[in-house]
Amino acid sequence: GAGVSQTPSNKVTEKGKYVELRCDPISGHTALYWYRQSLGQGPEFLIYFQGTGAADDSGLPNDRFFAVRPEGSVSTLKIQRTERGDSAVYLCASSLTREETQYFGPGTRLLVL
Amino acid sequence: AQRVTQPEKLLSVFKGAPVELKCNYSYSGSPELFWYVQYSRQRLQLLLRHISRESIKGFTADLNKGETSFHLKKPFAQEEDSAMYYCALSGPIIQGAQKLVFGQGTRLTINP
Repeated sequence: GAGVSQTPSNKVTEKGKYVELRCDPISGHTALYWYRQSLGQGPEFLIYFQGTGAADDSGLPNDRFFAVRPEGSVSTLKIQRTERGDSAVYLCASSLTREETQYFGPGTRLLVL
Repeated sequence: AQRVTQPEKLLSVFKGAPVELKCNYSYSGSPELFWYVQYSRQRLQLLLRHISRESIKGFTADLNKGETSFHLKKPFAQEEDSAMYYCALSGPIIQGAQKLVFGQGTRLTINP
């Protein structure tokens, strides 16, 4: 079946602009995670959804970052007033339940100029 | 604090030689440990998790709580094992594993 998908695959924006990154989890997966991977680093946790609610948003770096999952399926990560330091690959993962294996999407590569 | 350390950024071995990728962790309690792998041009995928105690593609990993290590091993490396390997931990399964904490990764290259 279809895996986790993310759009766009690449996004180039200018400093100060607003961006939205989309994640389509595997159908039926209740848990959804966002991670950020900077060059040469491992992925870092941003936020975790169980259903529609953000169960853990402790990884969001500041209030410019926000994520939603209004119907418990697709999620959107929103970044306001982008900064050059936001440049990274943003990964989404989903799992059937919170105890199960996390399956990762291909990521969105964000470049802030 | 939760932390995963992979001391080797790069590791190169010859085909047929044994491989060991090191992973040490810091966690207050009993974490769940994982190895994830990313092959060239592919997405990150689970290789194995401690709780399953499986051997995947000939790889095994033993949790050593005394040394807080979870090293990944394979007795005979194959060229297709060349990839980026990440060690990761989460909270105990009984608490609902939730977020993963990753190490920086080790790039493994198998030379013919």
